[in-house]
Amino acid sequence: SQTIHQWPATLVQPVGSPLSLECTVEGTSNPNLYWYRQAAGRGLQLLFYSVGIGQISSEVPQNLSASRPQDRQFILSSKKLLLSDSGFYLCAWSVPLGRAYEQYFGPGTRLTVT
Amino acid sequence: GDSVTQMEGPVTLSEEAFLTINCTYTATGYPSLFWYVQYPGEGLQLLLKATKADDKGSNKGFEATYRKETTSFHLEKGSVQVSDSAVYFCVLSPGNQFYFGTGTSLTVIP
Repeated sequence: SQTIHQWPATLVQPVGSPLSLECTVEGTSNPNLYWYRQAAGRGLQLLFYSVGIGQISSEVPQNLSASRPQDRQFILSSKKLLLSDSGFYLCAWSVPLGRAYEQYFGPGTRLTVT
Repeated sequence: GDSVTQMEGPVTLSEEAFLTINCTYTATGYPSLFWYVQYPGEGLQLLLKATKADDKGSNKGFEATYRKETTSFHLEKGSVQVSDSAVYFCVLSPGNQFYFGTGTSLTVIP
């Protein structure tokens, strides 16, 4: 069965520090991968999605970047964090199942920028 | 463009009450529709899905029917439990893109 891992689970970082969040998927090949951010009490904001190694689409201009160095690895990075980067970061994957795509989420990383 | 409009919350119900969370959508083509649930401090879990008109998705006592004539996918449960307290998201997918509603927070009190 497929599983998705995210780490760390929680992170407290000072303003201006770098960031690296990692997501890996097991049990599937060629998944579409996604990074979302969820601010406290709010809905989901799509940050990046990837349909293959090295192929990244950015949905929102910001100081974050994403990379996909391997088929099942997706990394979210920042060179200098802002206070507004605080939130709950969710990685997700999707593959076609029948006539639809289904999307599955990791456990999330709670980032607090101080 | 494609979008989802979801009932505003928060919703507070007593245990064993009937639940309806409204969801309507705008889409071209024939998207799939989903409901996801997020328990406090966790990621989202797929609750149920429907891939074509008149499909009924169901899971854990929750149901939703894909109504093309009213462009709706309302979530229902006949008797809620305290353990159903969570945030519920209606989601539309025309393919490998996913469009999320703003989420509806449900609190069930004993």
